Amino acid sequence: KNEVEQSPQNLTAQEGEFITINCSYSVGISALHWLQQHPGGGIVSLFMLSSGKKKHGRLIATINIQEKHSSLHITASHPRDSAVYICAVSPAPGAGSYQLTFGKGTKLSVIP
Amino acid sequence: GAGVSQSPRYKVAKRGQDVALRCDPISGHVSLFWYQQALGQGPEFLTYFQNEAQLDKSGLPSDRFFAERPEGSVSTLKIQRTQQEDSAVYLCASSLYSGVLYEQYFGPGTRLTVT
Repeated sequence: KNEVEQSPQNLTAQEGEFITINCSYSVGISALHWLQQHPGGGIVSLFMLSSGKKKHGRLIATINIQEKHSSLHITASHPRDSAVYICAVSPAPGAGSYQLTFGKGTKLSVIP
Repeated sequence: GAGVSQSPRYKVAKRGQDVALRCDPISGHVSLFWYQQALGQGPEFLTYFQNEAQLDKSGLPSDRFFAERPEGSVSTLKIQRTQQEDSAVYLCASSLYSGVLYEQYFGPGTRLTVT
């Protein structure tokens, strides 16, 4: 069982819709990352957070450490938001590990 | 400034052939990570360098995989006697400081196809 689970696996939305992608994890972490991967493979880091909420433009990321859950929201979605969104977690302090553990990603398609 | 670059972008190898994949991190970045991404999956950790020291190689799938970063900048991932299951995109990422608590900057990846 993957330690990081994302839902949904695939998501199709109409332009302008509010989008939510969820990430749950089962291990102790020091931080959670949201990444964006466009066709062709390039990965861009969107957010890194360890508590609360961060906002950048139309993107909002939240995390609930107690519930081991994070959400990525996209407001007023646009076709250029179409990409795979990946959640990844950094290990807890003292774990002696340098491994990010990744979810399988959520493929988002925004239709004009 | 320049981002992380990787070469080649695409590599086709015959089964049993050795391959070498190169990563040029952002200048001055202390940390360098290698990941393997199979089709339709999320990336999986392979190995981590802090400068020239390989501090974690627990993700390397077999002893056919070897990575080095001799001068603390450019890194090479070498795969010996390639097998079909090695077909994947190999991603390199760097970050300014050591550890996993800082933003990682990813390269475009090398797509390896073993025939």
